[in-house]
Amino acid sequence: GAGVSQSPSNKVTEKGKDVELRCDPISGHTALYWYRQSLGQGLEFLIYFQGNSAPDKSGLPSDRFSAERTGGSVSTLTIQRTQQEDSAVYLCASSLAGLGQFFGPGTRLTVL
Amino acid sequence: QKEVEQDPGPLSVPEGAIVSLNCTYSNSAFQYFMWYRQYSRKGPELLMYTYSSGNKEDGRFTAQVDKSSKYISLFIRDSQPSDSATYLCASEKEGGNKLTFGTGTQLKVEL
Repeated sequence: GAGVSQSPSNKVTEKGKDVELRCDPISGHTALYWYRQSLGQGLEFLIYFQGNSAPDKSGLPSDRFSAERTGGSVSTLTIQRTQQEDSAVYLCASSLAGLGQFFGPGTRLTVL
Repeated sequence: QKEVEQDPGPLSVPEGAIVSLNCTYSNSAFQYFMWYRQYSRKGPELLMYTYSSGNKEDGRFTAQVDKSSKYISLFIRDSQPSDSATYLCASEKEGGNKLTFGTGTQLKVEL
C-alpha cells in the first residue's frame, strides 16, 4: 500500500516492561512525526524527524520515551518501563514539505 | 487554555443537512490550518489543508479560515451517514514542525 503503516496494531503489556512501536512512512516523505492520542486529551505531538537534521524531541513526556529513524525511512518509538498512564493510541505521520501530514492507523497500547 | 479549542459534540444531524464544524485558536503564529476525519479505531485522514485566511472547496467540503477572529470552519453539504466520524481541526506555524489539534467533534448523520 501507499500509506503510512504501523505495527503492531495492538499491544498489551505489563507495567514496567519496555515496548517498541514501528512506523513505515510513505515512500519519499522526508518528514516523520509521532503523536499520542489519549481519551479526552486529543492528539499530542511527541517527536519530529526531518531528513538528516537533529530530531525535535520537545513533545516527549519523559526520558522513558525515545525514538529513532534509520536510513531516513522507518522509525521506532520505544517506551521503557511502561506505566499505566502510557496507555494510548500512538500515531505516526509523514509529510513532504507543504503538503500536509498523513497518518497511519496507529498502535493501541494498553499497559496493565 | 488550549491553543486550539473545539466543541466535542456530539453533533447529530439528519441525512442531507448542511453541517458546520468550528474551531477557535489563540496563537497568532498559526498559518496553516487542516481538517482531519477520524473513524472509530482508525488514524486521522486529511480532508482539507489551507494556508492563511480564505476559503477552500473540495466536493461537498468547504474549509474557511478567518485569521482576524482566529476562527476555523468546515462545512459539509448534503451530509451522508458515511460522514459520521470525529472531525479534528489542526493548526501549524510557518516553518513549524508539529500540528496542534483540537480535541475533535463527534458527528453523527442519521438516516
